[in-house]
Amino acid sequence: EPEVTQTPSHQVTQMGQEVILRCVPISNHLYFYWYRQILGQKVEFLVSFYNNEISEKSEIFDDQFSVERPDGSNFTLKIRSTKLEDSAMYFCASSEVGGEDTQYFGPGTRLTVL
Amino acid sequence: AQSVTQLDSQVPVFEEAPVELRCNYSSSVPPYLFWYVQYPNQGLQLLLKYTSAATLVKGINGFEAEFKKSETSFHLTKPSAHMSDAAEYFCAVNPLRGSYGKLTFGQGTILTVHP
Repeated sequence: EPEVTQTPSHQVTQMGQEVILRCVPISNHLYFYWYRQILGQKVEFLVSFYNNEISEKSEIFDDQFSVERPDGSNFTLKIRSTKLEDSAMYFCASSEVGGEDTQYFGPGTRLTVL
Repeated sequence: AQSVTQLDSQVPVFEEAPVELRCNYSSSVPPYLFWYVQYPNQGLQLLLKYTSAATLVKGINGFEAEFKKSETSFHLTKPSAHMSDAAEYFCAVNPLRGSYGKLTFGQGTILTVHP
């Protein structure tokens, strides 16, 4: 069964450093998403992406965040200058279409900012 | 603003006992509703979804949920718990039909199953 994959599973970085989290969505999906979950808190929407542009973004997704689909398979989340409060589990998801369609989630990348 | 409330942070049950995990939503229009399960060190797996067809929705692993508009609820149930059901369960809403699918999640409910 096709699945969303994410790398790395765990990333440790120093405050102020740039990180890139990588995702490979399911191959025939057209909509891509990033969510995050700070330890002990809700899963929060960050951004949705369709047709090579951001469809919607949350207040969390400020100028230090960016997303890109650099090729036909990868979908990346870049955090330009990490802060301690960026420590969280980051989930990538994809869906075949938007709206009510099922979003399939990857296993997540745990980001730890020291 | 649309939101989801999961009323219980933890629900303990005995094996073979019935399970009910509660979820209430607020939305100005009937939303799409989802239940996801997260096993330790894994991603979120869809259990079931409501998209305005039948109000009683059946999902995987014997779970089902009923959409009750009058109560703005979408509680998850299972008649008999198995040890393998121990996990964290998330209710989620997509409040904007025809949108790009932004999900708003509840706080999560940890289901523990005792022998």
